[in-house]
Amino acid sequence: GIQVEQSPPDLILQEGANSTLRCNFSDSVNNLQWFHQNPWGQLINLFYIPSGTKQNGRLSATTVATERYSLLYISSSQTTDSGVYFCAAPFSGNTPLVFGKGTRLSVIA
Amino acid sequence: DGGITQSPKYLFRKEGQNVTLSCEQNLNHDAMYWYRQDPGQGLRLIYYSQIVNDFQKGDIAEGYSVSREKKESFPLTVTSAQKNPTAFYLCASSVKGTYNEQFFGPGTRLTVL
Repeated sequence: GIQVEQSPPDLILQEGANSTLRCNFSDSVNNLQWFHQNPWGQLINLFYIPSGTKQNGRLSATTVATERYSLLYISSSQTTDSGVYFCAAPFSGNTPLVFGKGTRLSVIA
Repeated sequence: DGGITQSPKYLFRKEGQNVTLSCEQNLNHDAMYWYRQDPGQGLRLIYYSQIVNDFQKGDIAEGYSVSREKKESFPLTVTSAQKNPTAFYLCASSVKGTYNEQFFGPGTRLTVL
């Protein structure tokens, strides 16, 4: 079936370090979203990025739809960046989002 | 404030009881969704609705039921037929079309004792 795979599954960073999270998807998509789930469970929208590159402060994302992957860059990480990062995409037509299993990020001071 | 609200935040029920989780949005979104999240896992789709009085099953609809009588409301009932109902439940909404950006409520944590 249609799959969204995220890597790495777990990541531990020292505060101030940079990181790249990857999302691979098995079929063409017409949308891709990145979310941050905070320790209370709230899913926070980071990027809606069907293709190209977007930046928001210390975070940026790039989706290369033709090669079926997206990258989330976190620069100068802070302890508040800790949590789980999910990517999700609908596959063709009008189908709902399919989520990856997430990358659990821990930023230590 | 515009947003999605879910209630209650925590819910405890005895095995065999039906429970209804509330989801309300004032974003004027046409589409609404229910997801289930188990510890250490991603989100799985239970049901979604793209228009009032219409809804479709997701990947794990068995043991759940929904209604969509009003645009702003999409309650989820967890029935006694759901074999393992303890989980974190998240509601989301978007403008019409599942390719549009989805926004999530804060979630309801259900524990069945």
